[in-house]
Amino acid sequence: GESVGLHLPTLSVQEGDNSIINCAYSNSASDYFIWYKQESGKGPQFIIDIRSNMDKRQGQRVTVLLNKTVKHLSLQIAATQPGDSAVYFCAETYTGNQFYFGTGTSLTVIP
Amino acid sequence: DAGVIQSPRHEVTEMGQEVTLRCKPISGHDYLFWYRQTMMRGLELLIYFNNNVPIDDSGMPEDRFSAKMPNASFSTLKIQPSEPRDSAVYFCASTLSPGSYEQYFGPGTRLTVT
Repeated sequence: GESVGLHLPTLSVQEGDNSIINCAYSNSASDYFIWYKQESGKGPQFIIDIRSNMDKRQGQRVTVLLNKTVKHLSLQIAATQPGDSAVYFCAETYTGNQFYFGTGTSLTVIP
Repeated sequence: DAGVIQSPRHEVTEMGQEVTLRCKPISGHDYLFWYRQTMMRGLELLIYFNNNVPIDDSGMPEDRFSAKMPNASFSTLKIQPSEPRDSAVYFCASTLSPGSYEQYFGPGTRLTVT
């Protein structure tokens, strides 16, 4: 099966600092990646995506970096806010429909 | 749009009972996915449909699990008989087309089998 894993299961950051959440994937054929945010009691919510022909993509306060050489993804959140506290998942696919999700990293923002 | 709707939000049942989870995808979305989430295994894809037709059910754990999509606005995931190890949060998600990979998730159904 596929293997998508996260390096850090938990992460605590001070409000206003930048956060970096890492993810390793195992399938070199994967060509599309998504980061999801899941708040307590809710379903995962799309944050940002990136295709394998890119190495960086920026959104509002978030940046995703893709290193295909080492099969690594990272999500950077600038000026982390209390509302960013959640579990973050990376997901990969090479079929476009069947996504494989990592186990998640829990981000806690300390006010 | 109300988003993906799931019911019930919480279900507590005894081992051996039949459980039916329900999902209404976002109107116009032609792909529907059922996921199971546990602490140990994370988020796992169980089955997905395209235009009401099951495409891949390889993630369905065993014959006790079945899913149907009788029309574009409704799907069910049934477990019969239920077992304590089925306790998890079950999510339904929908997406518009293969060209739009963003899946919109429902709020989930938390199932507890005692």
